[in-house]
Amino acid sequence: DAMVIQNPRYQVTQFGKPVTLSCSQTLNHNVMYWYQQKSSQAPKLLFHYYDKDFNNEADTPDNFQSRRPNTSFCFLDIRSPGLGDAAMYLCATSRGRQETQYFGPGTRLLVL
Amino acid sequence: AQTVTQSQPEMSVQEAETVTLSCTYDTSESDYYLFWYKQPPSRQMILVIRQEAYKQQNATENRFSVNFQKAAKSFSLKISDSQLGDAAMYFCAYRSVTTTSGTYKYIFGTGTRLKVLA
Repeated sequence: DAMVIQNPRYQVTQFGKPVTLSCSQTLNHNVMYWYQQKSSQAPKLLFHYYDKDFNNEADTPDNFQSRRPNTSFCFLDIRSPGLGDAAMYLCATSRGRQETQYFGPGTRLLVL
Repeated sequence: AQTVTQSQPEMSVQEAETVTLSCTYDTSESDYYLFWYKQPPSRQMILVIRQEAYKQQNATENRFSVNFQKAAKSFSLKISDSQLGDAAMYFCAYRSVTTTSGTYKYIFGTGTRLKVLA
């Protein structure tokens, strides 16, 4: 089945230690998104790629970076995780920017 | 700036009954999309229903329907014949059509947790 896959489902890292979260898709969608969702809060869009075109939200901290080496994969890099970065990170894809988004199961990040 | 407000943190409904979840939003744009997403516990978020602002007709999807009131900026979700599998967090979301400074706005509300009672 075509889907959005996120690995790992749970990630534990240390304060200040770089961490990478991964997302892959078999839908062949053009757009890939990264959201941060803190407990009991709305998902917040961090950035998205339209093909290779990177679009950063204005209030996304510089600590968050992303890479999309090909259509199928997109990575979220947190350069120096702080305690406040502990959250669920959701990856989503869509065929076009105005199309429906399909979400992965999320990666829950814990920062010690 | 656009905002999405879900004023009901939690709702309960008896199985087979009908429940309505509220969502209001604020925008100065005339064209946009509105969505309801469902996020079951420990499972991924899925689209429930989508509404284009330029369409006056309310979207429906089986047991799910919306009441879209553009002038009032209201977008409520009605779930008929509620089932145990409907228990989840429901998010209302807004999506701009036009870009501002090259970025698209995709804004979620804080969610409403729906409990379905057997």
